[in-house]
Amino acid sequence: EAGVAQSPRYKIIEKRQSVAFWCNPISGHATLYWYQQILGQGPKLLIQFQNNGVVDDSQLPKDRFSAERLKGVDSTLKIQPAKLEDSAVYLCASATGTGGNQPQHFGDGTRLSIL
Amino acid sequence: AQKITQTQPGMFVQEKEAVTLDCTYDTSDPSYGLFWYKQPSSGEMIFLIYQGSYDQQNATEGRYSLNFQKARKSANLVISASQLGDSAMYFCAMRGGGKGRRALTFGSGTRLQVQP
Repeated sequence: EAGVAQSPRYKIIEKRQSVAFWCNPISGHATLYWYQQILGQGPKLLIQFQNNGVVDDSQLPKDRFSAERLKGVDSTLKIQPAKLEDSAVYLCASATGTGGNQPQHFGDGTRLSIL
Repeated sequence: AQKITQTQPGMFVQEKEAVTLDCTYDTSDPSYGLFWYKQPSSGEMIFLIYQGSYDQQNATEGRYSLNFQKARKSANLVISASQLGDSAMYFCAMRGGGKGRRALTFGSGTRLQVQP
């Protein structure tokens, strides 16, 4: 089966600009996650969707970050305006549901550099 | 709140030897799951192994096994017969119970380098 697809693979922008990332989960996966991984750290959850509804966005900096998952499939994550501390890898993951033993499958990530 | 601690920033192992990567966790959830992921330099996160909090036996997947000691709140990953391709970052992660808490909490990772 095809894995989680993310684009772009790399993005370089200046601070205060906006940027958007796209994720296409594994077919049939109802749950979609966006994680932020700062260099040298483990990934941290930004937002979790179940189908097209938000389950957990408690760690999303809502003053600058937004995300949507239209029709319960693809998702986009947007940053506007970007700050220097947003430099990170943004990982999208999907899972069949929220069951305890179901692993999350990750995409290759988008590496964002803020100048 | 959940917390994962990986105290080994880096580890070296000789090819064909076994290595243990440490992971301790803290949670108040009675039901939880523990995962290990591998992240090569290319960046993708690769699922390795899963252990449920109520599982009686330690999980095994090929050369990977999880040494689960519930009373000590530890879930160490054991890699047997290390290969050069095992060189990567390894992350321990936990999924707690309850609605809205199914995302993973990750540790800071351990960089494993396998030497020929």
